[in-house]
Amino acid sequence: DIVMTQSPDSLSVSLGERATINCRSSLSVLFPSDNKNYLAWYQQRPGQPPKLILSWSSTRESGVPDRFSGSGSGKDFTLAISSLQPEDAAVYYCQQYYDTPVTFGQGTRLEIK
Amino acid sequence: QVQLQESGPGLLKPSETLALNCTVAGVSMSSYYWSWIRQSPGRGLEWIGYTSYTGATNYNPSLRSRVTISVDTSKRQFSLRLTSMTAADTALYYCVGGGYCINAVCWYYFDYWGQGKLVSVSS
Repeated sequence: DIVMTQSPDSLSVSLGERATINCRSSLSVLFPSDNKNYLAWYQQRPGQPPKLILSWSSTRESGVPDRFSGSGSGKDFTLAISSLQPEDAAVYYCQQYYDTPVTFGQGTRLEIK
Repeated sequence: QVQLQESGPGLLKPSETLALNCTVAGVSMSSYYWSWIRQSPGRGLEWIGYTSYTGATNYNPSLRSRVTISVDTSKRQFSLRLTSMTAADTALYYCVGGGYCINAVCWYYFDYWGQGKLVSVSS
């Protein structure tokens, strides 16, 4: 199985500032034939199921604010959230879909100060 | 608006079999693959497996010996059966829609989630 490791496990960032969350996969999730990274990011607010926010490492889903951005390739990825808002407080997960079983990172808890 | 709703028992005894259903509304079942994902403090988010609308399945090897996922498109439902439940299977079980295949290249990220069904295993 491809192991996904996120860092940090938690972070606390001030309102209006920028937060960055890292995700590392144990194998590259860059598919050579289409040069795409098979990596998604989810946001899970308290009491809610995860919500898909980015696919293909950097493609925002419909309705997701452009404050959310994804970068990286191969094995190392970053989710950045700029101009933090109170509603951004959540746990964020990365997920690889390069191979089955698809696997998730352990999650990063973001607190807004 | 796509909606998924889990149903089934929330409390099981060790060795019993879990049976959950998921009812899908607002989208054709041929549009996606249909998965079960569970979440627990100890295991985090764990993909259990998927079914296509044709009944093709793919399971997580860690659970393959105990899991069956099936689909009934006439009822707009898909189902999870997990045998020999133990306390380690206590989790929030989500039914999920997502996944596509084009020209034999497939990708499984998850667009639609149910609210989850809490399943506890205790004697």
